[in-house]
Amino acid sequence: NAGVTQTPKFQVLKTGQSMTLQCAQDMNHEYMSWYRQDPGMGLRLIHYSVGAGITDQGEVPNGYNVSRSTTEDFPLRLLSAAPSQTSVYFCASSYSPGGNTEAFFGQGTRLTVV
Amino acid sequence: AQTVTQSQPEMSVQEAETVTLSCTYDTSESDYYLFWYKQPPSRQMILVIRQEAYKQQNATENRFSVNFQKAAKSFSLKISDSQLGDAAMYFCATGTASKLTFGTGTRLQVTL
Repeated sequence: NAGVTQTPKFQVLKTGQSMTLQCAQDMNHEYMSWYRQDPGMGLRLIHYSVGAGITDQGEVPNGYNVSRSTTEDFPLRLLSAAPSQTSVYFCASSYSPGGNTEAFFGQGTRLTVV
Repeated sequence: AQTVTQSQPEMSVQEAETVTLSCTYDTSESDYYLFWYKQPPSRQMILVIRQEAYKQQNATENRFSVNFQKAAKSFSLKISDSQLGDAAMYFCATGTASKLTFGTGTRLQVTL
């Protein structure tokens, strides 16, 4: 069982470039989320999805787009990368939205914008 | 809105000793959950323990236990018989599985 798979693991972008961070899960989880982790700030929620075709904004959504066309995939798009988006990005999935369910995390993507 | 505060950026414990990591939180939810996650150098986020707010009994998972003080909005993690493999960042969090609010983390060092 692969769990939550994020690609790539590392990426360097130039300011203004666009890219998509991929996230796929094979656990048939309805709920998926994207977080960013910055030094000294913990993880912050960017966007989340409660099922295919349904997404919503989290705490820090600006500069990021998401879509959910299938249950398995939840890509995060950076339309025009900025140095402030240098961070480690985590994707997570869960069977249900409740707190009595465990969220499973991918291993993260370290993104550097120069 | 939810907030989570971890006031100890770093802690150190000797192997086999006990250490307590502090966490305070604020939430407007009447029914909520609290979590401790471990992040080793591999970056993987690992759920350590979970507490349901409506349960008065403190959660326990092997060497890990919590001290949940609902009125004080406090949720500390106690690690007993510390092992070298416990060295990691520890994050306190609240919310739901799809929408978690994290604290800033405590880096735990384990010394021989």
